[in-house]
Amino acid sequence: DVKVTQSSRYLVKRTGEKVFLECVQDMDHENMFWYRQDPGLGLRLIYFSYDVKMKEKGDIPEGYSVSREKKERFSLILESASTNQTSMYLCASSTTGYGYTFGSGTRLTVV
Amino acid sequence: AQSVTQLDSQVPVFEEAPVELRCNYSSSVSVYLFWYVQYPNQGLQLLLKYLSGSTLVESINGFEAEFNKSQTSFHLRKPSVHISDTAEYFCAVSDHSGGYQKVTFGIGTKLQVIP
Repeated sequence: DVKVTQSSRYLVKRTGEKVFLECVQDMDHENMFWYRQDPGLGLRLIYFSYDVKMKEKGDIPEGYSVSREKKERFSLILESASTNQTSMYLCASSTTGYGYTFGSGTRLTVV
Repeated sequence: AQSVTQLDSQVPVFEEAPVELRCNYSSSVSVYLFWYVQYPNQGLQLLLKYLSGSTLVESINGFEAEFNKSQTSFHLRKPSVHISDTAEYFCAVSDHSGGYQKVTFGIGTKLQVIP
């Protein structure tokens, strides 16, 4: 089975800190995605990448950046964490036509 | 642009009763359709998908969904639910007009199975 591993299940950070969320997949998928999930809002796409060193903005990229230096790793960076970035963050990977495989999620709390 | 509407945010149902979770989509091109399930404090898992061919697709745990192009719907059904089906269910759509797959999700439906 494809595995998508997110480095932390729970994370607490202070306002203004730089935060790194790491995601690794082990099936050579081309596409990788970062979503945030909030009650009543569903999943919203932050950034995605369809190749190494390529990145595209999703629907809510403000306050975030990403890095994809290797095919298997896709990092989400919160440049200066704010309380409104408290959320569940989900990483996913895919190869065209087969749906997404999600990681277990990282629940980030910014205080 | 594509979009997904899940009409019910919460669906309570008694154990062993049937259930239908509704999903409608809009897209100007041909689509792939998916249902994902999320158990508490976990990521999303793919439940079933429609890519092409038979419009009725099934999952290994008894759920099924039917692609209805004329009604732009992809409702999820199960004839008899179990307590373990309590979870949040997300409908999703992607078009296959581009070289990569961007999926749009609905806001989710919480299925609560009552003993």
